[in-house]
Amino acid sequence: QSALTQPASVSGSLGQSITISCTGSRSDVGRYNLVSWYQQHPGKAPKLMIYEGSRRPSGVSDRFSGSKSGNTASLTISGLQAEDEADYYCCSYAGSKTWLFGGGTQLTVL
Amino acid sequence: EVQLVQSGAEVKKPGESLKISCKGSGYSFTTYWIGWVRQTPGKGLEWMGTIYPDDSDIRYSPSFQGQVTISADKSINTAYLQWSGLKASDTAMYFCARHPNYSGAYSGSRPDPDAFDIWGQGTMVSVSS
Repeated sequence: QSALTQPASVSGSLGQSITISCTGSRSDVGRYNLVSWYQQHPGKAPKLMIYEGSRRPSGVSDRFSGSKSGNTASLTISGLQAEDEADYYCCSYAGSKTWLFGGGTQLTVL
Repeated sequence: EVQLVQSGAEVKKPGESLKISCKGSGYSFTTYWIGWVRQTPGKGLEWMGTIYPDDSDIRYSPSFQGQVTISADKSINTAYLQWSGLKASDTAMYFCARHPNYSGAYSGSRPDPDAFDIWGQGTMVSVSS
């Protein structure tokens, strides 16, 4: 099992939109509709932002959205705000109750 | 309030054993899978393994199989992660996290896990001679 591939960093200006990609394989991202995304601020625990590819838990802003095409999932954040600056991780189910995380993407809000 | 509370930071020497804990409250602990996730300093998240506390069905990542032991005591709503011989490379932050069952689907008597919705605060483990 290899980690999912994410860009190391992305940046965007206040109010703009950014997209973070997460590339896996036919055995994980491509096979299951169980990609989730997590936001992590420094020194804090990760927070679930998106589950089942595109669903938002209660309390998560609708500025966050998820999608998938083939073996690649994406997280889009629209209307960037200063508090969105954080690390973002994708995660996919890989069968038999096993999970894979991506390497993480550092988002800088300019 | 649904929460997972982990045991405190640990400082150990190579070769020592260690068991850290994760106590759930505010929900039915035995009927949600609980996962353990490692985060090395300045690096990303790695899934280590997942346990179903009701019957202690456990799944390990191939990267951690044989390196750690995951267990649970459902009588006290607590999951554990333990090492029998720590190495310097085990220095990391360790998180426990609950798997929700958003889909409502079951495999046999166990819910199908789906993402990680509730996270513990993390336990920092430092291993140095």
